[in-house]
Parts: sequence; C-alpha cells; structure tokens
Amino acid sequence: DTGVSQDPRHKITKRGQNVTFRCDPISEHNRLYWYRQTLGQGPEFLTYFQNEAQLEKSRLLSDRFSAERPKGSFSTLEIQRTEQGDSAMYLCASSSKVVRASGGSSYNEQFFGPGTRLTVL
Amino acid sequence: AQSVTQLDSQVPVFEEAPVELRCNYSSSVSVYLFWYVQYPNQGLQLLLKYLSGSTLVKGINGFEAEFNKSQTSFHLRKPSVHISDTAEYFCAVSVRYNTDKLIFGTGTRLQVFP
Repeated sequence: DTGVSQDPRHKITKRGQNVTFRCDPISEHNRLYWYRQTLGQGPEFLTYFQNEAQLEKSRLLSDRFSAERPKGSFSTLEIQRTEQGDSAMYLCASSSKVVRASGGSSYNEQFFGPGTRLTVL
Repeated sequence: AQSVTQLDSQVPVFEEAPVELRCNYSSSVSVYLFWYVQYPNQGLQLLLKYLSGSTLVKGINGFEAEFNKSQTSFHLRKPSVHISDTAEYFCAVSVRYNTDKLIFGTGTRLQVFP
C-alpha cells in the first residue's frame, strides 16, 4: 500500500492558462474524491467518482473545472482559463474500505494524498 | 445543510500540558464525526471517528474525543502533548446517508512549545 499520490506537488501558472493535475489512488480503491483547500480554510468537497462514473459534483466546480477518471484508476482535474481565485491546495482521496460499527453504521474511510498546491499569478 | 465550527484558529500550549480543541457542528440529520490531522507538506490523516455507540472515542497518538449530542460538540483532547503534535487539526462531519462527502471546519493550528 503506497498511499495516494498526486502530481505535480506544486504548480505555478499565469492567469488564463490551463492546468491539469493527476491523482493516483490506492490500488483497487474504487472511489476517488477531489477537495479544494484555500488558505486558512478547511478542505471543501468538489467531486467524487465510483470507478469511472462521476457521481456528485459540488456547485464549487464551475464550468472551467473538469474531472475525469477514464479507466476507473487514476483521475485528472483540469482547470481552464485559471483565475487568481483558483490558487489553492487541491487534495485527492480514495476509499474502498467500508468501516462497520455497531448498530449497522458503516462508511467509506477516505485516505488523502499530499495535495497539489496551485499558485495563479 | 451541515456545518462545522472550530472556534479556535490557533492553540498554543507547552509540552506535556493537556489540550482541548473545540468542534461544534450543525445538522438536521444524524451525522458521523471525524478528526483529521495535517502535518506540514503532508495529506490529511484520520485521528479518530464517531459512528455510533460509546460517546467517548479513542484515536491514534493518544488523542480522544467525546460526542455530545445535546451540545452538538465533538471536542478533541489529549492529556499530555508532545512537540510532534504540532500540526493543523480539522473536525469534519458527514451525513449518514452520504458518507462520501466530508464537510470540514476551518481548522485549529496546535503549536506545542518546549
């Protein structure tokens, strides 16, 4: 288990340019999540996939953002025409393990990658 | 909608002293509760979680938290902190019918001094 990896770790770009980030989940994890974390804030949910299907998108994900997971393994997050407000840490997480507790409770434990820090100049 | 409030943005404490990081949440439906820790240049790591059952939950690194439904709180505690506990701590919730979407607080920076 090598953990969730993200590439690149840092990206500096000029306003108006397109950027693409990659996330490689833990092997055989079927769910993959993207979050955005701005300075001084907690992570905010953007979207998630189960295998290759994108099941939920936050309203934070404007038309300039697109995420894909074409083969149900790695995922890419593309931002078109970047704006200074897009500067943030983009976090990826994956899950597969269902944790069950007493009373029938269960949830998918999310394992986070180190993030990609985007700076838009 | 759900929300999480972490009132303390920074908590300074001396090594070996006890610490409490506060977390309050708001939700009209039942939730699960989590605490995550983020060390510099690293991803989020799960410290502990409350799903059901005993309201006192124990996590890794000697941390524990208590779920208080009447006060809608889930405060994190440690009886004796170490320098290595210096990090950012995030409280999070998810609704029971959609555990794929975590809602985080703004975080508390714990700074442990020698």
